[in-house]
Amino acid sequence: DAKTTQPPSMDCAEGRAANLPCNHSTISGNEYVYWYRQIHSQGPQYIIHGLKNNETNEMASLIITEDRKSSTLILPHATLRDTAVYYCIVRVAIYGQNFVFGPGTRLSVLP
Amino acid sequence: SAVISQKPSRDICQRGTSLTIQCQVDSQVTMMFWYRQQPGQSLTLIATANQGSEATYESGFVIDKFPISRPNLTFSTLTVSNMSPEDSSIYLCSAKAGARFFGPGTRLTVL
Repeated sequence: DAKTTQPPSMDCAEGRAANLPCNHSTISGNEYVYWYRQIHSQGPQYIIHGLKNNETNEMASLIITEDRKSSTLILPHATLRDTAVYYCIVRVAIYGQNFVFGPGTRLSVLP
Repeated sequence: SAVISQKPSRDICQRGTSLTIQCQVDSQVTMMFWYRQQPGQSLTLIATANQGSEATYESGFVIDKFPISRPNLTFSTLTVSNMSPEDSSIYLCSAKAGARFFGPGTRLTVL
């Protein structure tokens, strides 16, 4: 599995966009980029995933560089409820494969 | 998507006893997963539970300590046996239904 690197922590002002980077320079052609978050005392929550095209859903946008070696999760208008640990995971999207969680980025949205 | 529930949500147990955690998924899934999250740490996979076969355990986890049942396609249990204070953690159930979904976790404290 490709290894991912994320900053350990970030701050963001409420109402501003939160841009969370992830480096996955050893990603292979059939590996997807997944983002999850874990709000305190809850289970991880799926946010978004992508292969090579940028993706957007009701929660966030995922921007993947053309060489696929890095990506950015964008929360367009961060709220206090977005304070959480955000995990970037690279996995081949085949059945039953393990998800390996790194330490993630602790995002603090400040009032 | 899938909605996953766990029981109990938390428990405080005495050393040497055992606790069985239940996980219920609102749709049929072939594979379910059990994770442990120790205080302040990321998630670690304990085992993968297939319906109708033995669970597959990750390195460092054994069936005698963490027996798992998977009687049907929507339900699984994890037992934490002969508990010690080092077993104090959050235990999370997960299932693959498209993306990977997680339960809310069971917070276990062993005295």
